[in-house]
Amino acid sequence: NAGVTQTPKFQVLKTGQSMTLQCAQDMNHNSMYWYRQDPGMGLRLIYYSASEGTTDKGEVPNGYNVSRLNKREFSLRLESAAPSQTSVYFCASRGLGGSRNYGYTFGSGTRLTVV
Amino acid sequence: AQSVSQHNHHVILSEAASLELGCNYSYGGTVNLFWYVQYPGQHLQLLLKYFSGDPLVKGIKGFEAEFIKSKFSFNLRKPSVQWSDTAEYFCAVSGPYGNNRLAFGKGNQVVVIP
Repeated sequence: NAGVTQTPKFQVLKTGQSMTLQCAQDMNHNSMYWYRQDPGMGLRLIYYSASEGTTDKGEVPNGYNVSRLNKREFSLRLESAAPSQTSVYFCASRGLGGSRNYGYTFGSGTRLTVV
Repeated sequence: AQSVSQHNHHVILSEAASLELGCNYSYGGTVNLFWYVQYPGQHLQLLLKYFSGDPLVKGIKGFEAEFIKSKFSFNLRKPSVQWSDTAEYFCAVSGPYGNNRLAFGKGNQVVVIP
């Protein structure tokens, strides 16, 4: 089924370890996003990529890096994980075009625990 | 940048009761408005969206929302809730075309008691 695929679904890291969260979409969408979800905070934008080859910071970019590898894939990297990065991470994508194509599609999330 | 406010973070109600969740946003330009639902352990699903036209929008599962431009509001309603409506509900706002970002409110945790 078409959609946004995130891997892994669960991960436990030790403080200081690094890892990359993978996201891929097969809907030919131009824009992709990484959000983190924390209790009582809603979803906060970490980074986004408006189109292939561009990335921009969102609300909470510190401690993260991203790579828009190609149109399909947008990865999020934690270089040195901290307990404050324990969260659920969601990737999303959105197509380009007029307002009728303003559909954001979300992945199923990655639950990350940093100990 | 736009911001989104949702009040009454925790809502508890009985089956068949009516539900209304408030959403206010701060953005001076034309906006696109969304309500998402997240069932326990699942990812976000779109309930409904508003781009233009009729300010009363009907979504899935009997939900509707009304856009009131003068009040910068986009409140979600359901006349009669079911136990299966237990979930977290998020209001989100994005600007058109030149603004890619989707800004979320902090969510409303809704618990429906059978």
